[in-house]
Amino acid sequence: GDSVTQMEGPVTLSEEAFLTINCTYTATGYPSLFWYVQYPGEGLQLLLKATKADDKGSNKGFEATYRKETTSFHLEKGSVQVSDSAVYFCALSTGNTPLVFGKGTRLSVIA
Amino acid sequence: ETGVTQTPRHLVMGMTNKKSLKCEQHLGHNAMYWYKQSAKKPLELMFVYSLEERVENNSVPSRFSPECPNSSHLFLHLHTLQPEDSALYLCASSQRAASSYNEQFFGPGTRLTVL
Repeated sequence: GDSVTQMEGPVTLSEEAFLTINCTYTATGYPSLFWYVQYPGEGLQLLLKATKADDKGSNKGFEATYRKETTSFHLEKGSVQVSDSAVYFCALSTGNTPLVFGKGTRLSVIA
Repeated sequence: ETGVTQTPRHLVMGMTNKKSLKCEQHLGHNAMYWYKQSAKKPLELMFVYSLEERVENNSVPSRFSPECPNSSHLFLHLHTLQPEDSALYLCASSQRAASSYNEQFFGPGTRLTVL
């Protein structure tokens, strides 16, 4: 069945460092891909999405490109801030099932 | 109110209590979901409702009983819970239950502690 694999955390970075969180997927058909973020004490919020190959989703300085050839959707940010500390979830959606989530990656940014 | 709301935000209950979690969406969506989020475990999809009809039940114990009286409201009735049921319970909604463009909108969650 469909699945999402994302890198194990926690990831600890200094402020202004470059961030990459890897995400790869397995799916039948052509899924849409999402990154959700969960700040402490809150529910999940959509961060960005891409609905077809080579699309780039972007929001709040975060970017991810839908790579069909490598079945990947890695999350990147050029300069992280303390306020980016959160748990990040990669997810996919096809026409057959509700969203399939990865296990989440906890990011801690220290000043 | 906008988006997805959940009440209560925090709940402490004994193993013999009966309580209910409430979720309301103000987005005009047709699908609603319950998720369980435990520490150090993946997000678990519990139930899916589409147009008020349950379409998915992922082997959830019968001590959890969902109810969807209309497309805007979703309840999770709790009865004779165990301490391992302590978790954050998240409600979400989307336009449809299964779609290639299925963006889900989440509520803030109810933090449940079972003593």
